[in-house]
Amino acid sequence: EAQVTQNPRYLITVTGKKLTVTCSQNMNHEYMSWYRQDPGLGLRQIYYSMNVEVTDKGDVPEGYKVSRKEKRNFPLILESPSPNQTSLYFCASSFVSGGPLSGRAAVDEQFFGPGTRLTVL
Amino acid sequence: EDQVTQSPEALRLQEGESSSLNCSYTVSGLRGLFWYRQDPGKGPEFLFTLYSAGEEKEKERLKATLTKKESFLHITAPKPEDSATYLCAVQAVGSARQLTFGSGTQLTVLP
Repeated sequence: EAQVTQNPRYLITVTGKKLTVTCSQNMNHEYMSWYRQDPGLGLRQIYYSMNVEVTDKGDVPEGYKVSRKEKRNFPLILESPSPNQTSLYFCASSFVSGGPLSGRAAVDEQFFGPGTRLTVL
Repeated sequence: EDQVTQSPEALRLQEGESSSLNCSYTVSGLRGLFWYRQDPGKGPEFLFTLYSAGEEKEKERLKATLTKKESFLHITAPKPEDSATYLCAVQAVGSARQLTFGSGTQLTVLP
């Protein structure tokens, strides 16, 4: 079954304790992305990756890190979590039209994971 | 800066009562406008992509339309299983690697 998986689904942690949320997709998608969803603010992009070893900042990257060492995995790292990072996090993946590293690259429909609800105390 | 505004924020309909959701956008050259459905506790699920003004797409009781400033998601004779939050997102020609999402319309269809 084609899917995007995230782990853990729920996480309660304390300020400053490093954590990693894993994301994996089995559709051979070039593009992967992390979003956070907060009430009234909609989905905001944290980081995205057009291909292996290529990552870029989204709209709200502060306090987050990512890596793309394999095509299927795109972990989200919070080195020192703070309460304002309490949120619902989604990973997504997609094919890219126009060539992933070309100037005409465009993301197509995105497939989203089930979400990770993070609470930082 | 690209902006997406969805209205209304919430909508309650009786089963069979048709209505429309609105997505107004400001973007410097639209490459695509996307509609997603999100059920509680789940990730968004893709519905449609529209690329040019005048384009329409349909899926079961849903029809999406696009003008140069807004998109509508028309729901005909809705059923309770259509209850969800509907998200709109735009993709600009100059930044086609990213989407800008609206805050969504929460639709509740009562039996």
